[in-house]
Amino acid sequence: EAQVTQNPRYLITVTGKKLTVTCSQNMNHEYMSWYRQDPGLGLRQIYYSMNVEVTDKGDVPEGYKVSRKEKRNFPLILESPSPNQTSLYFCASKITEGMNTEAFFGQGTRLTVV
Amino acid sequence: GENVEQHPSTLSVQEGDSAVIKCTYSDSASNYFPWYKQELGKGPQLIIDIRSNVGEKKDQRIAVTLNKTAKHFSLHITETQPEDSAVYFCAASYNTDKLIFGTGTRLQVFP
Repeated sequence: EAQVTQNPRYLITVTGKKLTVTCSQNMNHEYMSWYRQDPGLGLRQIYYSMNVEVTDKGDVPEGYKVSRKEKRNFPLILESPSPNQTSLYFCASKITEGMNTEAFFGQGTRLTVV
Repeated sequence: GENVEQHPSTLSVQEGDSAVIKCTYSDSASNYFPWYKQELGKGPQLIIDIRSNVGEKKDQRIAVTLNKTAKHFSLHITETQPEDSAVYFCAASYNTDKLIFGTGTRLQVFP
């Protein structure tokens, strides 16, 4: 089954404790991205990757890091989480050939930073 | 850069009635307008999209219209059913893989 898998689904952590949210896709998609979803703000892009070893900042990259060592994986790293990073996070992937193609989303990771 | 506004933020309808969600975009160069549905506890899923070379597209009970002159596009759901209850997001992009999303509309369909 074609899917984007995020882990964990839920995470409660304390301020400053480094954490990683994993994302893996099995569709051989070149493009992967991370979004955060906040009430009244919709989905905002954090980082994206056009292909292996290529990553770029989205609209709200502060406080986040990513890596793309393999095509299927795109982890999101919070080196020193803060309460304002409490949010619902989504990973997405899509093919890039032909542009304007469907983005496939993971099921989300609800992060709470206390 | 592109900015997408979406209205209303919440919408309640009776089962069988129609629902309309509207979005406006700022960048006249945008040429791709997808709609995503997010059910409770799940990630967004594409339900319909439209490209700038057409004015309307239908898929069973859902349709999307695009007015390039006014820079707005709308999602129409007819004969709504309880399973249509979800959060709907519009988005826009221009020949890139980056989608700019609206703020979402929570649709509730009451039996």
